[in-house]
Amino acid sequence: DAGVTQSPTHLIKTRGQQVTLRCSPKSGHDTVSWYQQALGQGPQFIFQYYEEEERQRGNFPDRFSGHQFPNYSSELNVNALLLGDSALYLCASSFADRVDGYTFGSGTRLTVV
Amino acid sequence: AQTVTQSQPEMSVQEAETVTLSCTYDTSESDYYLFWYKQPPSRQMILVIRQEAYKQQNATENRFSVNFQKAAKSFSLKISDSQLGDAAMYFCAYSFNYQLIWGAGTKLIIKP
Repeated sequence: DAGVTQSPTHLIKTRGQQVTLRCSPKSGHDTVSWYQQALGQGPQFIFQYYEEEERQRGNFPDRFSGHQFPNYSSELNVNALLLGDSALYLCASSFADRVDGYTFGSGTRLTVV
Repeated sequence: AQTVTQSQPEMSVQEAETVTLSCTYDTSESDYYLFWYKQPPSRQMILVIRQEAYKQQNATENRFSVNFQKAAKSFSLKISDSQLGDAAMYFCAYSFNYQLIWGAGTKLIIKP
């Protein structure tokens, strides 16, 4: 039973560039939530995708966008990268937009230089 | 504002002893979940224990137990018989509006 898979594991980008992060949810899960975890801090909610729609969004600018595909996998896109976007990006999957049954991936470490 | 406070940035405990990690939170909701997650160097968040706010009985999972004080909005984690594998960052969180609100974490060091 596959857990949550995130790719890539590490990424280095230059300011102003665009990046796409990917997440495949755990088998049986249909909801994907994305979190940003800056160094030394707890995660911050970016958004949740359920039934291919953005169900809820945290306090992040429009530079952060996402998508969910019919197979429930998801992408997180960040445009016009800033140094402050450097963080660990965590994907969590669950069933039926619930937050009490999260399974997390190991994250993508994004460094913006 | 929805907040979680973990007042201990770092805690250390001798192997086989007991340690308690503190957490307070602020929410206006009456029904929510509370969580303790563990994040080892592998970076993956691992659920340690979960508490439903409407249940008065404190949750337990083997060596892990919580002291949930709803009126005080306090949710501490007790780890008994600490093991070297317990060393990690521990995060307290609660559910709100399709998301989890997280604290800044407590680094737990286990001394052999």
